[in-house]
Amino acid sequence: SQQGEEDPQALSIQEGENATMNCSYKTSINNLQWYRQNSGRGLVHLILIRSNEREKHSGRLRVTLDTSKKSSSLLITASRAADTASYFCATDPPGGTSYGKLTFGQGTILTVHP
Amino acid sequence: NAGVMQNPRHLVRRRGQEARLRCSPMKGHSHVYWYRQLPEEGLKFMVYLQKENIIDESGMPKERFSAEFPKEGPSILRIQQVVRGDSAAYFCASSPTENTIYFGEGSWLTVV
Repeated sequence: SQQGEEDPQALSIQEGENATMNCSYKTSINNLQWYRQNSGRGLVHLILIRSNEREKHSGRLRVTLDTSKKSSSLLITASRAADTASYFCATDPPGGTSYGKLTFGQGTILTVHP
Repeated sequence: NAGVMQNPRHLVRRRGQEARLRCSPMKGHSHVYWYRQLPEEGLKFMVYLQKENIIDESGMPKERFSAEFPKEGPSILRIQQVVRGDSAAYFCASSPTENTIYFGEGSWLTVV
């Protein structure tokens, strides 16, 4: 089973609307990160939230983390057509050494219509 | 400062051939990771290397797959005797320490 599972699998909205994607995970984590992937391209790091943080902002992005529910959400406000992409959450294991051994979810495909 | 460079971007191999994927980490980065992305799935960790050392290969298939990161030159992911199920995007990532990692653009392998 997936450590990270995104919900919904696909989201279609109009430009200017907000987009919310959710991620659930199963085991304890050190950090949770969100990435964006345009079709046929590599991953772009969006934001990292640590296990002792509850909310983080970066531009039009807002990420929340609820460790009691083992879930995170990514909110993109005032969406643009250029936000069309797949969005993945990724977790790294707890413990003293936190290296780039990330566990990714299946992703949410976001389509923003102009 | 160039990003993580992967080549080739696209590779077509016939069943039974070998595939070699190369990754040059960002300047100053000594940690390299390889991930595989099957069609319409998330990325799966394969291996973590530092110069001349394999640190964690828990995600590598037991047979036909190998990885190296020599003292000089790029990291290489090698797949011997490829099968159709190896068709995927292979991503390399690097980091300066053990924190945020930076992904390359990926190498898309198609086995025909």
